[in-house]
Amino acid sequence: DIQMTQSPSTLSASIGDRVTITCRASQSMNNWLAWYQQKPGKAPQVLIYQASTLESGVPSRFSGSGSGTEFTLTISSLQPDDFATYFCQQSDSYPWTFGQGTKVDI
Amino acid sequence: DVHLVESGGGLVQPGGSLRLSCVASGFTFSNYYMSWVRQAPAKGLEWVANINQDGGAKFYVDSVKGRFTISRDNAKNSLYLQMSSVRAEDTAVYYCARWNGYFNWGQGARVTVSS
Repeated sequence: DIQMTQSPSTLSASIGDRVTITCRASQSMNNWLAWYQQKPGKAPQVLIYQASTLESGVPSRFSGSGSGTEFTLTISSLQPDDFATYFCQQSDSYPWTFGQGTKVDI
Repeated sequence: DVHLVESGGGLVQPGGSLRLSCVASGFTFSNYYMSWVRQAPAKGLEWVANINQDGGAKFYVDSVKGRFTISRDNAKNSLYLQMSSVRAEDTAVYYCARWNGYFNWGQGARVTVSS
């Protein structure tokens, strides 16, 4: 199984900050990696897929990069609506797995 | 717009059974892999099962193999999860999701396993 380890688990930031979340895979994988945002009581929403492709309608301040075992989600300038929990997810091999989440708060 | 609506959640006793349903709209259901993903209370996300477009291929996480069965009815635009021999650790919100290289999610159905 590919284990996905996110860091940090929590992140305190301010409006306008540049934020980077890292997801490390336990073995090298292809770029079948997605990033999701989840707000309390709501279903997750996709931000990035195939490691770096921005989903339609997602603000351009979100970007994804990486390959092999290390992937990153960057928010270039944190906005009030971005305070949420972020998850990475690999679909390179079964069982598909998620990172444990990164909570971004003030 | 992709629209997925789950139903069938509720309280079930350990060892019991429950069937979740998901009705899809806004896309051609028969063209897509479909999935179930769950989230235990205050926990992360766990992929549970996948089914291919015609239902001929199914994949499960080890913890539910032999207990849960994913199925679909393309004529009814519906996805199902038959849960049997449930355990306390199956307590979670269960999301129906369309797979398009990433998940598009329903609103979730809460399942509580407790005596």
